[in-house]
Amino acid sequence: DTAVSQTPKYLVTQMGNDKSIKCEQNLGHDTMYWYKQDSKKFLKIMFSYNNKELIINETVPNRFSPKSPDKAHLNLHINSLELGDSAVYFCASDAGQFSEQYFGPGTRLTVT
Amino acid sequence: AQSVSQHNHHVILSEAASLELGCNYSYGGTVNLFWYVQYPGQHLQLLLKYFSGDPLVKGIKGFEAEFIKSKFSFNLRKPSVQWSDTAEYFCAVRLFSGGYNKLIFGAGTRLAVHP
Repeated sequence: DTAVSQTPKYLVTQMGNDKSIKCEQNLGHDTMYWYKQDSKKFLKIMFSYNNKELIINETVPNRFSPKSPDKAHLNLHINSLELGDSAVYFCASDAGQFSEQYFGPGTRLTVT
Repeated sequence: AQSVSQHNHHVILSEAASLELGCNYSYGGTVNLFWYVQYPGQHLQLLLKYFSGDPLVKGIKGFEAEFIKSKFSFNLRKPSVQWSDTAEYFCAVRLFSGGYNKLIFGAGTRLAVHP
């Protein structure tokens, strides 16, 4: 009965590769998010989607391309991976105003 | 620019000590306020939230927080910590702007509780 799930949990890859992270929520929420947590634990929003439409893009490099095939899924594709992309990526969802965000377990991406 | 400040980056306490973690935000409009906890190697879990009403909110595991609007603060408290409270604590503020909302996180406070 996992609320927000992400795959994979760990991802180790080399610079220049392309990789994807998948996220699914079974809470019926309309809004989904991607966050990046750096090595100092700082969490920063990357994208927000509401009902499959992009709402927020926080000046993320265009190597990052989110895709929402339906409102329960928000995937993140990253092209030409760089060392600085190494981080933990969290997916989250909520029901909008006056609701809390539920977070997925995170994907630890290591670029070598 | 909107921001969330957590004053203590690293706190070390003994079991049974009292805890207060500071959180201030810079935004003059409507906000929702949250404290999340991240145990080692785990995802973020909600401790408590404030939307409106009583500014003193109670959360899980004996935590509480007080919203002081005039000070733009939302400090987290617990009267007696346990070793199992060792974790990273994040204050977050939801801002409403331009027809959408977004959650801004503080830098986090790492709490270590020694037995």
